[in-house]
Amino acid sequence: DIQMTQSPSSLSASVGDRVTISCQASQDIGKYLNWFQQRPGKAPKLLIYDASRLETGVPSRFGGGGTGTDFSLTISSLQPEDVATYYCQQYDNLPLTFGGGTKVEIK
Amino acid sequence: QVTLRESGPALVKPTQTLTLTCTFSGFSLSTSGMCVSWIRQPPGKPLEWLARIDWDDDKFYSTSLKRGLTISKVTSKNQVFLTLPNVDPVDTATYYCARVSRPPAYFDYWGQGILVTVSS
Repeated sequence: DIQMTQSPSSLSASVGDRVTISCQASQDIGKYLNWFQQRPGKAPKLLIYDASRLETGVPSRFGGGGTGTDFSLTISSLQPEDVATYYCQQYDNLPLTFGGGTKVEIK
Repeated sequence: QVTLRESGPALVKPTQTLTLTCTFSGFSLSTSGMCVSWIRQPPGKPLEWLARIDWDDDKFYSTSLKRGLTISKVTSKNQVFLTLPNVDPVDTATYYCARVSRPPAYFDYWGQGILVTVSS
């Protein structure tokens, strides 16, 4: 199975800050990566697919990049509603596998 | 409008079989390319993909949880089922079903989830 490693596991930033979350795959997965946002007590929500394509309706302050084994999710200007845990997920190979999550809080 | 809703027991005893139902509306599993997956999340832990069933009845499973895990569907009733035999307390989790409108992993709609506790 492909292992997905996220860093950091948690972060605290101020409103308006630029925030970057990293995700590393244990082998080359090309562009086949999703990013999800999970607010407390809610189901995950797809933010980005194919590593960098923004899902319809997702604010443009969210951006994704990377290819191969190293990927990133950037929030260009952190907002209070962005408090959540963010997960990467690869879909190059079955079984689909998720990263361990990054919890984002407001300072 | 696409909706999915998970249903099933909130409490199951160890060694019993857990059966969950995903009832959905707004799409059909008779449509080419449409799929439904199950994902679970133990309390305070990350997400774990479990299984997927496709419009053509192809089925795919987690390799770490293969012990009799079964996904099935009744297309005419817009329902997908997940069966997990011989449950253990480690199977305590919130179980989600999600629509995959472009396989393998375009999870565009999710249910609200159902918390299942395995305890004697």
